[in-house]
Amino acid sequence: AQKVTQAQTEISVVEKEDVTLDCVYETRDTTYYLFWYKQPPSGELVFLIRRNSFDEQNEISGRYSWNFQKSTSSFNFTITASQVVDSAVYFCALHSGNTPLVFGKGTRLSVIA
Amino acid sequence: DADVTQTPRNRITKTGKRIMLECSQTKGHDRMYWYRQDPGLGLRLIYYSFDVKDINKGEISDGYSVSRQAQAKFSLSLESAIPNQTALYFCATSDYQDPYEQYFGPGTRLTVT
Repeated sequence: AQKVTQAQTEISVVEKEDVTLDCVYETRDTTYYLFWYKQPPSGELVFLIRRNSFDEQNEISGRYSWNFQKSTSSFNFTITASQVVDSAVYFCALHSGNTPLVFGKGTRLSVIA
Repeated sequence: DADVTQTPRNRITKTGKRIMLECSQTKGHDRMYWYRQDPGLGLRLIYYSFDVKDINKGEISDGYSVSRQAQAKFSLSLESAIPNQTALYFCATSDYQDPYEQYFGPGTRLTVT
């Protein structure tokens, strides 16, 4: 069965600090996709990144970076120099086989000015 | 205009009432999904449909039913609403050619009193 664990329920940082959100996944499939979504206070889901299981290269997009390690089944998300606008709930999700997306429980990030 | 729309966006209803949440999409996708989000629990799959004649139960289908009236429309019904169905509901779509990419609607916030 597929499972996504986000062990950090809530994180609070001061603006300009770096923060890493952890995501550990479980699947028996060899082909799968991992995602991160952001949910700001307004409630909509904002797609951040998709990564397939065959691409272990780290990805950087501005202040955001992702570290995918198959050896530890982890897909961690780092925000560098955090800003108040980064305050949101962040979800990691897994998609494999014909099973629709399986989400973690989310990590609520609060960035304090 | 948004590719995936949900109506209503907000709804307050009373225990025992029947309520329908509607989802429409203009992306031409064949696959549609309903998720429910509760604080601290992430998004959980209620039902999904891979085409008009296909309906599948998700993780938490009890108390819900769905109807796929057309490729572009997927409705979620609560036959007799109860307070613990108070949640944020998301509709999503994907295409068989890229089933791993799901596009989410803006969400419907449902309160059952």
